Amino acid sequence: SQQGEEDPQALSIQEGENATMNCSYKTSINNLQWYRQNSGRGLVHLILIRSNEREKHSGRLRVTLDTSKKSSSLLITASRAADTASYFCATGLSNSGYALNFGKGTSLLVTP
Amino acid sequence: EAGVAQSPRYKIIEKRQSVAFWCNPISGHATLYWYQQILGQGPKLLIQFQNNGVVDDSQLPKDRFSAERLKGVDSTLKIQPAKLEDSAVYLCASRIAGEGETQYFGPGTRLLVL
Repeated sequence: SQQGEEDPQALSIQEGENATMNCSYKTSINNLQWYRQNSGRGLVHLILIRSNEREKHSGRLRVTLDTSKKSSSLLITASRAADTASYFCATGLSNSGYALNFGKGTSLLVTP
Repeated sequence: EAGVAQSPRYKIIEKRQSVAFWCNPISGHATLYWYQQILGQGPKLLIQFQNNGVVDDSQLPKDRFSAERLKGVDSTLKIQPAKLEDSAVYLCASRIAGEGETQYFGPGTRLLVL
């Protein structure tokens, strides 16, 4: 069964605006990762946050993790048309060989 | 550095036929995963290899799906016989064992079963 659930399912914004996506999960984790998928480049790893971290930044990406609420958020600042893609959160456990459990994803559309 | 290679990129077959997908992971990556992604959903793990051994195949429908990684490098996933509900994208991913948790995905094979 899928571990994470992203919210919203779909998001449409204009270039320059910020995009926020949320992810909730069910069981204990070692880390939570965000991936992006578009038809041109397949599934690409964006950022990983460990269970003992609360916030992480990478370029225009900001990820937060609240293990007490079993939730995470991904913020993309100053969105560009090239950010149009589906975004997935995925959780991994060391005792499962770091196999990933993905959510259903958020479809982001950034219009010029 | 070359990425994860998969072939074919697209495949159309009729139900009850068989099909095979091939994956060549990034050089040096001991861990290899096969995921199934049905349209509108996130990828779901089918099987995980560590070198040439199976780590987890609990979600692999073993009555019709099989996978192997005989020499611990490239891998083949087979479906025999295919069903309509097997229509999906089959993604291969690899990871350096013991070094980080990031997985690197191939472009996938899009399968359509008619």
